[in-house]
Amino acid sequence: EAAVTQSPRNKVAVTGGKVTLSCNQTNNHNNMYWYRQDTGHGLRLIHYSYGAGSTEKGDIPDGYKASRPSQENFSLILELATPSQTSVYFCASGDLPVSNERLFFGHGTKLSVL
Amino acid sequence: GDQVEQSPSALSLHEGTDSALRCNFTTTMRSVQWFRQNSRGSLISLFYLASGTKENGRLKSAFDSKERRYSTLHIRDAQLEDSGTYFCAAEANTGYQNFYFGKGTSLTVIP
Repeated sequence: EAAVTQSPRNKVAVTGGKVTLSCNQTNNHNNMYWYRQDTGHGLRLIHYSYGAGSTEKGDIPDGYKASRPSQENFSLILELATPSQTSVYFCASGDLPVSNERLFFGHGTKLSVL
Repeated sequence: GDQVEQSPSALSLHEGTDSALRCNFTTTMRSVQWFRQNSRGSLISLFYLASGTKENGRLKSAFDSKERRYSTLHIRDAQLEDSGTYFCAAEANTGYQNFYFGKGTSLTVIP
């Protein structure tokens, strides 16, 4: 089973501060994703990546940057955190459609911006 | 607008009963994946379908192979441990692998 590990599990940040959420996957998947989950919206895609060095905008990229320095690691960066970015963030990896694998999710990071 | 409409938004079932969840898509989708989110917030993958049906124990999922615009998740003989929030995620026919999530069905199984 693919392993996707997120850190930290919980984070409290101040408005205007910089926040970095980290994600590591150990199954050599090409594709990685960052979603946020909010009540009434389900999960929405922020950024994704096809492989090391690539980052692409998802459906709600404003206020976020992403970095994919290696196959295993994908970070989500909030340069100037705002209270509206308080949410639960999920990282996922997968290799569709190459291998017909499904998406694998991390356990989530609960971010509170005060 | 929302690409995926999931219903019902909430559901209560007595133990031992059967029910079905449904996701309708505003456009043709390439595939669908169903998840259950447990009380700790973890997303557990239940099924991934590019077409047809899959079954695992008391759960069975189907993806409309003809028009590819809806999917169902059937729960048979509901148990207390089935409680949680269920999400469907549909993969769009775009150039990149993007899954659109429904807003979830909160399922409570009652003794």
